[in-house]
Amino acid sequence: SQWGEENLQALSIQEGEDVTMNCSYKTYTTVVHWYRQDSGRGPALIILIRSNEREKRSGRLRATLDTSSQSSSLSITAAQCEDTAVYFCATDHDSGYNKLTFGKGTVLLVSP
Amino acid sequence: EAAVTQSPRSKVAVTGGKVTLSCHQTNNHDYMYWYRQDTGHGLRLIHYSYVADSTEKGDIPDGYKASRPSQENFSLILELASLSQTAVYFCASSVKNNQDTQYFGPGTRLLVL
Repeated sequence: SQWGEENLQALSIQEGEDVTMNCSYKTYTTVVHWYRQDSGRGPALIILIRSNEREKRSGRLRATLDTSSQSSSLSITAAQCEDTAVYFCATDHDSGYNKLTFGKGTVLLVSP
Repeated sequence: EAAVTQSPRSKVAVTGGKVTLSCHQTNNHDYMYWYRQDTGHGLRLIHYSYVADSTEKGDIPDGYKASRPSQENFSLILELASLSQTAVYFCASSVKNNQDTQYFGPGTRLLVL
């Protein structure tokens, strides 16, 4: 999980495997963003799931959101080497200004 | 494609010196943000702005000032740079609607010696 006092998480898998990253948040949120950051670049949104959605799919990505347990997950099916990146979850605490609080991130390494 | 640019891309500054980081967006977005990222950590919000000529404090504003002279431009100012401000700084913009995507710039790597 990305939140709390945990250090940056790291996952290493082989190409073709499925992988799931978890994120737990501490305060109420109406949306969870999942960003991907490639080395030397800024984060880029890959999927966004709102509080009225339990699951959201986009290509090989699947995000879930459980507001009762304050947790979200991001799954990648059949991972490819190009999926190697750092993945962050971020929550919006309904500030009205789209302010985000980021988790510490998960480093995903996909090897051939 | 949304476009956020930052300058400089990297900078070496001396302790106690003044540093200005610049951000420019061509997205016509109302909201802009400054984050810092430390090695092995997520991004933390320093300042944000929802309209030109107005800035707001984020979660870690101490030691930083911000300026939004126009809708397109948002600057982060370190009046007295300190060693602890060595980090990568990211600017982002988003539309006015709540809960929407933030578009990030490429980052500025700042080293304070």
